[in-house]
Amino acid sequence: AQSVTQLDSQVPVFEEAPVELRCNYSSSVSVYLFWYVQYPNQGLQLLLKYLSGSTLVKGINGFEAEFNKSQTSFHLRKPSVHISDTAEYFCAVSGAAGGTSYGKLTFGQGTILTVHP
Amino acid sequence: DTGVSQDPRHKITKRGQNVTFRCDPISEHNRLYWYRQTLGQGPEFLTYFQNEAQLEKSRLLSDRFSAERPKGSFSTLEIQRTEQGDSAMYLCASSPLWSQETQYFGPGTRLLVL
Repeated sequence: AQSVTQLDSQVPVFEEAPVELRCNYSSSVSVYLFWYVQYPNQGLQLLLKYLSGSTLVKGINGFEAEFNKSQTSFHLRKPSVHISDTAEYFCAVSGAAGGTSYGKLTFGQGTILTVHP
Repeated sequence: DTGVSQDPRHKITKRGQNVTFRCDPISEHNRLYWYRQTLGQGPEFLTYFQNEAQLEKSRLLSDRFSAERPKGSFSTLEIQRTEQGDSAMYLCASSPLWSQETQYFGPGTRLLVL
């Protein structure tokens, strides 16, 4: 079984400031990690994913995340945020290919990022 | 290339009524997933299909819930005898054979049970 903990339910930040959204996971098997963004009354859009290889992954809209296996973390960062980044962000985990939980996403509770002018 | 579509986008029903939602995945995506999202929570897995076969169902999917994907294309999710606790956003996602770990989500169907 897997679980995801997003350590901050809300993160307020000023425009052009850097931001970090924190995510920790728990799993007994190898995992894939994802960050999704959800705008009000919309579905989820994939920001980035970690499958294997380089632990620093870059995604859309200037976001990046770093996989840290020893700390079981996958924090999301952006060096300079815009008003349009205001949304809810979800961290998710699935088992790696070949495992029983492959393809089934387990989500955290979400972090609401609010960018103020 | 159209994305995942869901119909209806909103549904208001009275307790005890049956409702059915439809999901059309991205063309040629062989996997299709259903999730439920309640206010202030992340999505929770309900079930998934590989082609027309339903491979896994969550314990969240009570006997009142049934999902089908008869021809391996679109899918329906039916809730019988709705309860107020069924009020939620129902999300559908699909993934392709060549990248099954990457799911593309539809806009969701928001259900309100009065």
